Amino acid sequence: SQQGEEDPQALSIQEGENATMNCSYKTSINNLQWYRQNSGRGLVHLILIRSNEREKHSGRLRVTLDTSKKSSSLLITASRAADTASYFCATDAGDTGRRALTFGSGTRLQVQP
Amino acid sequence: EAGVTQFPSHSVIEKGQTVTLRCDPISGHDNLYWYRRVMGKEIKFLLHFVKESKQDESGMPNNRFLAERTGGTYSTLKVQPAELEDSGVYFCASSQVGWNTGELFFGEGSRLTVL
Repeated sequence: SQQGEEDPQALSIQEGENATMNCSYKTSINNLQWYRQNSGRGLVHLILIRSNEREKHSGRLRVTLDTSKKSSSLLITASRAADTASYFCATDAGDTGRRALTFGSGTRLQVQP
Repeated sequence: EAGVTQFPSHSVIEKGQTVTLRCDPISGHDNLYWYRRVMGKEIKFLLHFVKESKQDESGMPNNRFLAERTGGTYSTLKVQPAELEDSGVYFCASSQVGWNTGELFFGEGSRLTVL
């Protein structure tokens, strides 16, 4: 699998429900970021969590990071139709020296009104 | 302040033709990245500029792809000659110095269709 691989690939929920997306990665990291992409638009940064952090909140977003399992989760609470989008996790290259983020295939979230 | 802009938004060309994509990063952003997403798969890194210098071009698929950033401002990505498998959405992103402490700012992408 790819560095920064999201799971599930697609998720459909009702408005008001919570949505949880997971991300797994392979190499060590300095930080992990989550991005959102609305259809036909560019990616928008949501939140960054550092390797020494375990949980971070931003509004209705909650991100967790487990470096021992090399995994992260993004929770969107009280989802809205406007949250419909693709969500990507992105990891840096840790100690490999690459100065670029690595993205996965994304999770397509559909929030039904 | 203007965001990252990309041109064209959509290009349809025939196999064997040439296409040049352009990216204007946010003013003052030294780091400029090109990424590509093919057929709903992962967003793949192509290359990274710091100002006018290629910092990392390990993601460039082959020598049919040429990226430039003359003067350290806008960047172009040329595909010559284009092949069917080059179809996809090409994203440009920029960031300030301190890449690993902050976010990337993305353009809306250039969709390339090779027939």
